[in-house]
Amino acid sequence: DAGITQSPRHKVTETGTPVTLRCHQTENHRYMYWYRQDPGHGLRLIHYSYGVKDTDKGEVSDGYSVSRSKTEDFLLTLESATSSQTSVYFCAISPLRQGKRYNEQFFGPGTRLTVL
Amino acid sequence: AQTVTQSQPEMSVQEAETVTLSCTYDTSESDYYLFWYKQPPSRQMILVIRQEAYKQQNATENRFSVNFQKAAKSFSLKISDSQLGDAAMYFCAYRTASNSGYALNFGKGTSLLVTP
Repeated sequence: DAGITQSPRHKVTETGTPVTLRCHQTENHRYMYWYRQDPGHGLRLIHYSYGVKDTDKGEVSDGYSVSRSKTEDFLLTLESATSSQTSVYFCAISPLRQGKRYNEQFFGPGTRLTVL
Repeated sequence: AQTVTQSQPEMSVQEAETVTLSCTYDTSESDYYLFWYKQPPSRQMILVIRQEAYKQQNATENRFSVNFQKAAKSFSLKISDSQLGDAAMYFCAYRTASNSGYALNFGKGTSLLVTP
């Protein structure tokens, strides 16, 4: 358990409405990520953060924005949700341990978002 | 961008038997990391095993082992003495050793069915 929580865990919304998903971690890890998981695609990177106010785009960033105003929280916002954004969203952290080069990622429990 | 290919969408194994899941990847780099993640029906992403490209020795974690063939860019997962709890989606993932956000590139996954 890497101390990662996501909220909400499930959400149903309508096309055109804004949606914000929250990822919270308790261990002050610098690197945080948002992925989406769709059938037949595995997990794809949306955005990531390497520190407070430091973020960068991933493979599928169109239609998404992120913010990180404090170390423990990484927010993913869909400004105007579309049906193509129906997906399961995972937050992840990457602990950078001194002397260890693995840099594996640990994942939150996921948020299932349905856009009608 | 590096691509990860899992050519087996579904696999089946009998309890107590051994099964091998395939993964190939495309990269021009010499230093990188490879991972296998398990996703049971609970949806939680669980790290199974990791391998560093500069290490020739294949990684092993209890009943899970890998066959890492660097020249062939192949990274297969072997599950020995399969158990009902091994039934899950398995994802192969690649990460470059360079600091490019440490994000993971995932394959599309292999669904493993374990029969009694």
